[in-house]
Amino acid sequence: EAGVAQSPRYKIIEKRQSVAFWCNPISGHATLYWYQQILGQGPKLLIQFQNNGVVDDSQLPKDRFSAERLKGVDSTLKIQPAKLEDSAVYLCATERNSGGPQFFGPGTRLTVL
Amino acid sequence: DQQVKQNSPSLSVQEGRISILNCDYTNSMFDYFLWYKKYPAEGPTFLISISSIKDKNEDGRFTVFLNKSAKHLSLHIVPSQPGDSAVYFCAASAEYGNKLVFGAGTILRVKS
Repeated sequence: EAGVAQSPRYKIIEKRQSVAFWCNPISGHATLYWYQQILGQGPKLLIQFQNNGVVDDSQLPKDRFSAERLKGVDSTLKIQPAKLEDSAVYLCATERNSGGPQFFGPGTRLTVL
Repeated sequence: DQQVKQNSPSLSVQEGRISILNCDYTNSMFDYFLWYKKYPAEGPTFLISISSIKDKNEDGRFTVFLNKSAKHLSLHIVPSQPGDSAVYFCAASAEYGNKLVFGAGTILRVKS
């Protein structure tokens, strides 16, 4: 089966600009996660969706980050406006149902100048 | 507050020998543990998992050991191969299917 797809793979923007990332999950995977991985650290959960509903967004900086998962399939993560400290790899992961391992996409490396 | 800790930033092992990667956790509510492997420019790849009702799980060259009383788990790779060179992340969740908390990772280098 096809894996988790993410685009773009790389993005360079100036601070205060906006950026959006896209994720297409593995077919049939109801749960979708967005993680932020800063260099030298492990991935940190930003938001979890179950189908098109938000399960956990307690660690999402809601003043600048937003995410949606329309129709319970694809998802987008947006940052507006970006700050220097948002430079990181943004990973999308999906899971078949509640339980089991999460499968990760290749990530989007964001550089904010 | 680091709930999952991988205290060794890096490990170097000779090909054919055993690699042992360690992970400690502080949250006693964690009951499901996973190891992921990550190559540069790729996302983490699931390797092996263990639930708190077990103390060992084996898959080919990879074995994970869980010591709940010590809040410690380890990943053993035997024999180590150059292709195993990657960053290894330990992760834990408080409920099967719940969000994962990751350690900072250990860079494994297997020398040929």
